[in-house]
Amino acid sequence: EPEVTQTPSHQVTQMGQEVILRCVPISNHLYFYWYRQILGQKVEFLVSFYNNEISEKSEIFDDQFSVERPDGSNFTLKIRSTKLEDSAMYFCASSYGGSSYNSPLHFGNGTRLTVT
Amino acid sequence: AQSVTQPDIHITVSEGASLELRCNYSYGATPYLFWYVQSPGQGLQLLLKYFSGDTLVQGIKGFEAEFKRSQSSFNLRKPSVHWSDAAEYFCAVGARGGATNKLIFGTGTLLAVQP
Repeated sequence: EPEVTQTPSHQVTQMGQEVILRCVPISNHLYFYWYRQILGQKVEFLVSFYNNEISEKSEIFDDQFSVERPDGSNFTLKIRSTKLEDSAMYFCASSYGGSSYNSPLHFGNGTRLTVT
Repeated sequence: AQSVTQPDIHITVSEGASLELRCNYSYGATPYLFWYVQSPGQGLQLLLKYFSGDTLVQGIKGFEAEFKRSQSSFNLRKPSVHWSDAAEYFCAVGARGGATNKLIFGTGTLLAVQP
């Protein structure tokens, strides 16, 4: 079965540094998402991306965050200047359609980001 | 605002025992409801979903969940737990008619299975 793959599985970075988290969604999927989970807290929606633009974003997704689909296969999340509170597990997901009714999300294994 | 509550952070059951994981939601109407499971080192895997119709839904790995509108609940059940069911379980709601597949998750319940 096709999978969403995320790299790296664990990233350690210093506060203030830029970090790029990478994802390869399922090849025929059209909608892409980032979620995150701070340790002990809920899995939170960050952003959705369709047709090469952001379709929805949460209040967490401020100017420090950006997403990009640089080619036909990768989907990236960039954090420009990391803060300690950005430490979390970041999940990439994709779906064929935009409605949870008929297009369930497929999640990657996550990237654990640790900001020191 | 939509929200999901999973009141049990950590549950331990014996192998072969029955299991019920609780989930309560807050939403203005009947939402789409989901249960996901995350095994160690794995991504979130969809167990089952409820959209409408029969309030008892069957999922993969022998799990089922029952939607109770009067209680705003969507509890996950399994009659006999296997050691391989040890994982973290997440309940989630999705908005009807939303533009994208945005889900609101609970904090998760970590299930441990004793031999």
